[in-house]
Amino acid sequence: AQSVTQLGSHVSVSEGALVLLRCNYSSSVPPYLFWYVQYPNQGLQLLLKYTSAATLVKGINGFEAEFKKSETSFHLTKPSAHMSDAAEYFCAVSDQGGKLIFGQGTELSVKP
Amino acid sequence: DAGVTQSPTHLIKTRGQQVTLRCSPKSGHDTVSWYQQALGQGPQFIFQYYEEEERQRGNFPDRFSGHQFPNYSSELNVNALLLGDSALYLCASSDSGLAGGPSYNEQFFGPGTRLTVL
Repeated sequence: AQSVTQLGSHVSVSEGALVLLRCNYSSSVPPYLFWYVQYPNQGLQLLLKYTSAATLVKGINGFEAEFKKSETSFHLTKPSAHMSDAAEYFCAVSDQGGKLIFGQGTELSVKP
Repeated sequence: DAGVTQSPTHLIKTRGQQVTLRCSPKSGHDTVSWYQQALGQGPQFIFQYYEEEERQRGNFPDRFSGHQFPNYSSELNVNALLLGDSALYLCASSDSGLAGGPSYNEQFFGPGTRLTVL
């Protein structure tokens, strides 16, 4: 069965600092991986997705993620945090039918 | 172009009651999935509808049922509500016609319906 683990339920960074949100997956088949962001009282918005075309995936708002098969990881990074990046971030893996399996989420706080 | 819309925004029910939540998919999308997001948790897949049929189902009891209409909109029904059903219910839509299949394509999420069971 496929699963996703997000390490760290809460991450706090200073404005301008590097953002690193960790995601490890378990999948018996080549995975399709996604990062979604959820702002308070809103639905989920896709940041980026990995579909085996390239291991380094660039997304919206300056975020990117690197797929590392040997480490079964798909960590999300952003070189310089902005206050507007404060939100909940979810890593997800898709099964063959399109069902998304989400991690528990990581809340990102950005300090001025 | 309207995205995924859901109604109502908020709902308060008491234990034992029944509730119906509604979802209109993004224009051009024909597949609708429902997720339950408890407070502080990631969304959990309930089921997915395509061509008015339930195509996949997650680990939810039969109290949770759904329907998809010919215009691709969808309803989620929950019977005999329990306190534990309190959650944000998210609807997501996708286009089955895109290359790559359902596992590849992005699901667009609505803002959700916040259900509180007292």
